[in-house]
Amino acid sequence: EPEVTQTPSHQVTQMGQEVILRCVPISNHLYFYWYRQILGQKVEFLVSFYNNEISEKSEIFDDQFSVERPDGSNFTLKIRSTKLEDSAMYFCASSELGTRDTEAFFGQGTRLTVV
Amino acid sequence: TQLLEQSPQFLSIQEGENLTVYCNSSSVFSSLQWYRQEPGEGPVLLVTVVTGGEVKKLKRLTFQFGDARKDSSLHITAAQPGDTGLYLCAFRGSQGNLIFGKGTKLSVKP
Repeated sequence: EPEVTQTPSHQVTQMGQEVILRCVPISNHLYFYWYRQILGQKVEFLVSFYNNEISEKSEIFDDQFSVERPDGSNFTLKIRSTKLEDSAMYFCASSELGTRDTEAFFGQGTRLTVV
Repeated sequence: TQLLEQSPQFLSIQEGENLTVYCNSSSVFSSLQWYRQEPGEGPVLLVTVVTGGEVKKLKRLTFQFGDARKDSSLHITAAQPGDTGLYLCAFRGSQGNLIFGKGTKLSVKP
């Protein structure tokens, strides 16, 4: 069964360092998303990506964040200068369409710990 | 202000009991989705409800969308330890992004 895969599963980084979280969406999907979940809190939308550009982003997705689809298969989230409060689970998701009744498939997440 | 209010926040029950969790809003939605998230994993879609008053069954899980399309409920019959997890309701924005509620954390003890 096709699935969204994320690497690494756990990333520990020092405050101020850059991190890149990687995702391989399901191959025939066109819409890609990043979400984050701070420990004990709800899943929050960060950014959606379609047709090689950002289609929507939340207030959380500030200038420290960027996304890229460098090679047609990977979808990456970069955090330029990590802060302690960036520590969270980061989930990548993809869907075939962007319509309201389309299923989004989530990866297993990358646990980012900023120390 | 939370767009989606889920209650209860936590629920701990014994195996075999029935339970209902709720997802409420003052907004009207064209559809709502329910997800289940296990520790250390991403959310997994359970169901999408679209029509006001709609009832959908998934084995022991029954989902209902309110007549006014502002609220939804999930009822589990004869809960099992495997039902343990975080149950999230969500709606999709215009670009397909999901807006989640805080979830109900369910623990079913054997």
